[in-house]
Amino acid sequence: DAGITQSPRHKVTETGTPVTLRCHQTENHRYMYWYRQDPGHGLRLIHYSYGVKDTDKGEVSDGYSVSRSKTEDFLLTLESATSSQTSVYFCAISEGLSSYNEQFFGPGTRLTVL
Amino acid sequence: TQLLEQSPQFLSIQEGENLTVYCNSSSVFSSLQWYRQEPGEGPVLLVTVVTGGEVKKLKRLTFQFGDARKDSSLHITAAQPGDTGLYLCAGVRFEGAQKLVFGQGTRLTINP
Repeated sequence: DAGITQSPRHKVTETGTPVTLRCHQTENHRYMYWYRQDPGHGLRLIHYSYGVKDTDKGEVSDGYSVSRSKTEDFLLTLESATSSQTSVYFCAISEGLSSYNEQFFGPGTRLTVL
Repeated sequence: TQLLEQSPQFLSIQEGENLTVYCNSSSVFSSLQWYRQEPGEGPVLLVTVVTGGEVKKLKRLTFQFGDARKDSSLHITAAQPGDTGLYLCAGVRFEGAQKLVFGQGTRLTINP
């Protein structure tokens, strides 16, 4: 199994509070991704990183920010959580840009915003 | 906008039956990947198809990429209870990174 951990695994918070989710990898992969998974939508890309301090937006980036100060850590922050951000969040890593490159997913964080 | 339409979204069949899951798009992808996800876990890659018309087999699972690289199918022969799970197709694009565009998923239940 790829060495990817996510913390916390579960979180309940209130509307308007800031929330930070952490993704940690031990594979030294260059690319890291944050997705959210909601019923009827599959997984949707929030933000991704192509190197330390190099990040860019995905298809559903509004209300989210990210940071990557070290190769192994990729943080997702909800500056002011809303109920529409209740979801399961997955981090993924990949090594390169080959068509055959696999994305390895973490175990997910279930976030509930009340 | 869902760029990849996956169908059916739910499928419940008896052990031993055959089934096909479809993944359709109006967009062309560099490649297409199929993932399987178990409850409480992240998706795990099953296969990647790259060439238009490509067919790959993984035991009782057959994956096909459309000639125009816009659609794909997953066919399971003689389904078994161990095949139960969520199956996701994902179109691959390269725009700064390897971006995956996922279908809605097919929740498959195989009844003994």
